[in-house]
Amino acid sequence: RKEVEQDPGPFNVPEGATVAFNCTYSNSASQSFFWYRQDCRKEPKLLMSVYSSGNEDGRFTAQLNRASQYISLLIRDSKLSDSATYLCALDNYGQNFVFGPGTRLSVLP
Amino acid sequence: GEEVAQTPKHLVRGEGQKAKLYCAPIKGHSYVFWYQQVLKNEFKFLISFQNENVFDETGMPKERFSAKCLPNSPCSLEIQATKLEDSAVYFCASSLFSGLRSYEQYFGPGTRLTVT
Repeated sequence: RKEVEQDPGPFNVPEGATVAFNCTYSNSASQSFFWYRQDCRKEPKLLMSVYSSGNEDGRFTAQLNRASQYISLLIRDSKLSDSATYLCALDNYGQNFVFGPGTRLSVLP
Repeated sequence: GEEVAQTPKHLVRGEGQKAKLYCAPIKGHSYVFWYQQVLKNEFKFLISFQNENVFDETGMPKERFSAKCLPNSPCSLEIQATKLEDSAVYFCASSLFSGLRSYEQYFGPGTRLTVT
């Protein structure tokens, strides 16, 4: 089993839709979790950290489920500008990050 | 600075030539990470530094790759005798802290290395 798995997509959704991605991980010792977005081979930009209690930032909600070892990202009211690849990242025994392969989202007009 | 800076943006090298990439972390960040991203979007961790000390080098290829972070200088990643498979975008990231709890990593714009 890979350390971090994501559905590569693409997820093609209309503007205004709600879309959710999951990211499963195998290292139960991971403590820190993050969602990044990456546009067209540019650098990943931090979207949000993921806390145990779940957290929300505007249209974005992140959740952590330690028992089932996954994190999720929910995007409400999708905008065209949300089209990107969404990468989950988690710490590898508190050291470097392990990234998922990314989920591609296309928001269509 | 307020952002991670990487130079050059693009680098083209013939097989067998040397490539050297540079990274200046965000001011105040003591951890620097190097990642390699090849075509399929998979990020591969290479090496990390805590200030000028190697923190974790488990991802670093044993041959041809080396890296340094010296005081008052940008960090560098050097590839001796490049091969076609080294073609990738190399990202540098910095963070406040790593170890028991990982803090957010902020990425530079990357260096696209093309080996011909």
